[in-house]
Amino acid sequence: GQQVMQIPQYQHVQEGEDFTTYCNSSTTLSNIQWYKQRPGGHPVFLIQLVKSGEVKKQKRLTFQFGEAKKNSSLHITATQTTDVGTYFCAGWNSGNTPLVFGKGTRLSVIA
Amino acid sequence: GAVVSQHPSWVICKSGTSVKIECRSLDFQATTMFWYRQFPKQSLMLMATSNEGSKATYEQGVEKDKFLINHASLTLSTLTVTSAHPEDSSFYICSAPRTGVDEQYFGPGTRLTVT
Repeated sequence: GQQVMQIPQYQHVQEGEDFTTYCNSSTTLSNIQWYKQRPGGHPVFLIQLVKSGEVKKQKRLTFQFGEAKKNSSLHITATQTTDVGTYFCAGWNSGNTPLVFGKGTRLSVIA
Repeated sequence: GAVVSQHPSWVICKSGTSVKIECRSLDFQATTMFWYRQFPKQSLMLMATSNEGSKATYEQGVEKDKFLINHASLTLSTLTVTSAHPEDSSFYICSAPRTGVDEQYFGPGTRLTVT
């Protein structure tokens, strides 16, 4: 079945440094979604990428979807302590199908 | 935005007892809901797909007789953990896709502790 690989598993950065997490699907996706989960909380939807080669920005966060629609990345510029949490990518083929989650990247930011 | 609720948010039960978790879509109808389980420091793993009006479909390795799913209406799915054991202790999260909107909405999760 479909698999979504995500690296790195953990990342520790100094506040102000940049951070990137990468996602790779075993199959071509209709879209990919990114979620953030704070410790003790539930996943919160960040963004969805649909088009091949799409790039979207949310303030300091930049999301990219690969040309082949099999890989994606999330880049955070100048991390802040509020960025702490686990970032999950999830591949989806729309409709009544479940999301297939990557294992997540846990980000720690040292002030 | 669309909201999915779960009840209870946390529950502690004794080994051998059963626990029911509810997942409700509050402002939209969901013919399908998904149940995920998340063990500490791990990713979300799909357990089963709940289908309104038909039987749930379970992922490989998930015991359908232990995790009973009932999609009672277009806004409610329930997961019952029967004869719970300590290894069932986990964070259970439901989600529902909204027709016409390419987004899934997650409930806040239910933390189950079996003693």
